[in-house]
Amino acid sequence: DAGITQSPRHKVTETGTPVTLRCHQTENHRYMYWYRQDPGHGLRLIHYSYGVKDTDKGEVSDGYSVSRSKTEDFLLTLESATSSQTSVYFCAIRERSGYEQFFGPGTRLTVL
Amino acid sequence: ELKVEQNPLFLSMQEGKNYTIYCNYSTTSDRLYWYRQDPGKSLESLFVLLSNGAVKQEGRLMASLDTKARLSTLHITAAVHDLSATYFCAVDTAYTSGTYKYIFGTGTRLKVLA
Repeated sequence: DAGITQSPRHKVTETGTPVTLRCHQTENHRYMYWYRQDPGHGLRLIHYSYGVKDTDKGEVSDGYSVSRSKTEDFLLTLESATSSQTSVYFCAIRERSGYEQFFGPGTRLTVL
Repeated sequence: ELKVEQNPLFLSMQEGKNYTIYCNYSTTSDRLYWYRQDPGKSLESLFVLLSNGAVKQEGRLMASLDTKARLSTLHITAAVHDLSATYFCAVDTAYTSGTYKYIFGTGTRLKVLA
């Protein structure tokens, strides 16, 4: 257990509303990641962070923003949710001394 | 563009049989990871392969890495129903900020029939 929690675990929202997903870790890991998982696509990287206030885009970042104001929290924001953002979102951490990523429990987001 | 391809995408097999899942990738990388995902659950790390020729085994699963061929295999020996899950490989690649990111394969959905 890498001490990763995600909130909310499930959310249903309407098109055009803002949504923020939270990833919280308890073990002071430097690297944090947000992925989305869709059938037929595996997991795709949205954004990642390599330190407080240090973030960068992944391969599917359009429509998403992130913030990391403290080590333990990495927030993913959908500024104006669209139906194409209906997905399962996973947060992951990477230990400073290793290469392996560990995943949180996921958030299932439905945009109507 | 780095691509990671898994095959087969779906695999239905009888208990007791052997089978291999393949993971091909299109760029140089010395690190490859295998994960398991049960329906509705998160990803669980199975194997970390960090060099050419690496072989790891856990129970009925064995993973290997050939970086020259850009190929990893996940071999299942004498399958049991509990192995039914989706299996993902992920390749490590350097990213612009000096860190590394994963590129995932699309997954292999394994169903083991009693």
